[in-house]
Amino acid sequence: IAGITQAPTSQILAAGRRMTLRCTQDMRHNAMYWYRQDLGLGLRLIHYSNTAGTTGKGEVPDGYSVSRANTDDFPLTLASAVPSQTSVYFCASSDGRGGPDTQYFGPGTRLTVL
Amino acid sequence: GQNIDQPTEMTATEGAIVQINCTYQTSGFNGLFWYQQHAGEAPTFLSYNVLDGLEEKGRFSSFLSRSKGYSYLLLKELQMKDSASYLCAPFDSNYQLIWGAGTKLIIKP
Repeated sequence: IAGITQAPTSQILAAGRRMTLRCTQDMRHNAMYWYRQDLGLGLRLIHYSNTAGTTGKGEVPDGYSVSRANTDDFPLTLASAVPSQTSVYFCASSDGRGGPDTQYFGPGTRLTVL
Repeated sequence: GQNIDQPTEMTATEGAIVQINCTYQTSGFNGLFWYQQHAGEAPTFLSYNVLDGLEEKGRFSSFLSRSKGYSYLLLKELQMKDSASYLCAPFDSNYQLIWGAGTKLIIKP
């Protein structure tokens, strides 16, 4: 069982380019999340999905979009990357059957926008 | 607003005990998580408290006081592998996790 996988592991991107970060989970979790983590700051929620077919905006959604076509996959797209989007991006999932539940994290994608 | 306050960094000695404090202010409250994050890795679950009191799990214990908006993580018999960041994260009324910046724990021999 892999849990949650993310790709790529790291990426250097020119400003203005489009980029999709991939996230796949095999735990049949309903809920999935995208966070960014910057030095000195807590994890900040970008977008989330409570179940396949639905998505919602988190704390810092501007410049990012997501889709949830099925239970397993939750890609994050940067339509036109800017240097302020340089960060480590974590995808997470949870059972999401109601109430507080534990989030499980993927290994992260380290993105540098130049 | 919502706010989480943890010390930025702490240092402790191998074999000792350390307590990492967290105070929080959230819109509503539905429990609090502690996660461990080693440098360059993903956060991993340590504990969850929803009722007041101490939850013990091996060398790690977590305490919660809802009336004070306060939690702590207690690590006993410290090992070098405990060097990591420890993240405090309460659930707000919308069941969104509000993450603190974390406490970097440095263990010295």
